[in-house]
Amino acid sequence: DTAVSQTPKYLVTQMGNDKSIKCEQNLGHDTMYWYKQDSKKFLKIMFSYNNKELIINETVPNRFSPKSPDKAHLNLHINSLELGDSAVYFCASSQEGAVSSYTFGSGTRLTVV
Amino acid sequence: SQQGEEDPQALSIQEGENATMNCSYKTSINNLQWYRQNSGRGLVHLILIRSNEREKHSGRLRVTLDTSKKSSSLLITASRAADTASYFCAAVGAQKLVFGQGTRLTINP
Repeated sequence: DTAVSQTPKYLVTQMGNDKSIKCEQNLGHDTMYWYKQDSKKFLKIMFSYNNKELIINETVPNRFSPKSPDKAHLNLHINSLELGDSAVYFCASSQEGAVSSYTFGSGTRLTVV
Repeated sequence: SQQGEEDPQALSIQEGENATMNCSYKTSINNLQWYRQNSGRGLVHLILIRSNEREKHSGRLRVTLDTSKKSSSLLITASRAADTASYFCAAVGAQKLVFGQGTRLTINP
């Protein structure tokens, strides 16, 4: 059973399109995150939700909108995709916020052409 | 920023040797965590060391933390080919992990 699963694994799309990435965790964790990893492998936090409430919203274009229907799911919707959005997006979860270890999904490689 | 910064950026050693990676951060932390990322995969948690701890062991891993120097080190003893991966430290302050760019470790057979 995959602890943090995100879909799709690969996503190739044209500029200007709108796309969504889904994430689900079955660990019973109360906090979920989205991270972006660029081509230089630098990982940057985008959003964090705790029990469906947004607690961290880094400087991310408002074309990115997270949605958490329940504490086991955190989806990422991206409007008007741009070339610079190409990256690997990782979902993660943790118990007790950042003071405990994170469990990461396997990533979604987004390529905008 | 509490960003962890790893040093070196890349490290290549022979199988069986020990590998040491260093991490520095900028502000006070709650804990510091190390993760491994194999190529094309997600990050896997290795070890967490709290701010009041100085050293921690887990199998072939040894982590040290020096809060006065705002630095940590990860030692992998008796390296194996399967240890080839990128290793990230993450400094943990309020509410979030902040990662550095990682150390790319290559173990040569």
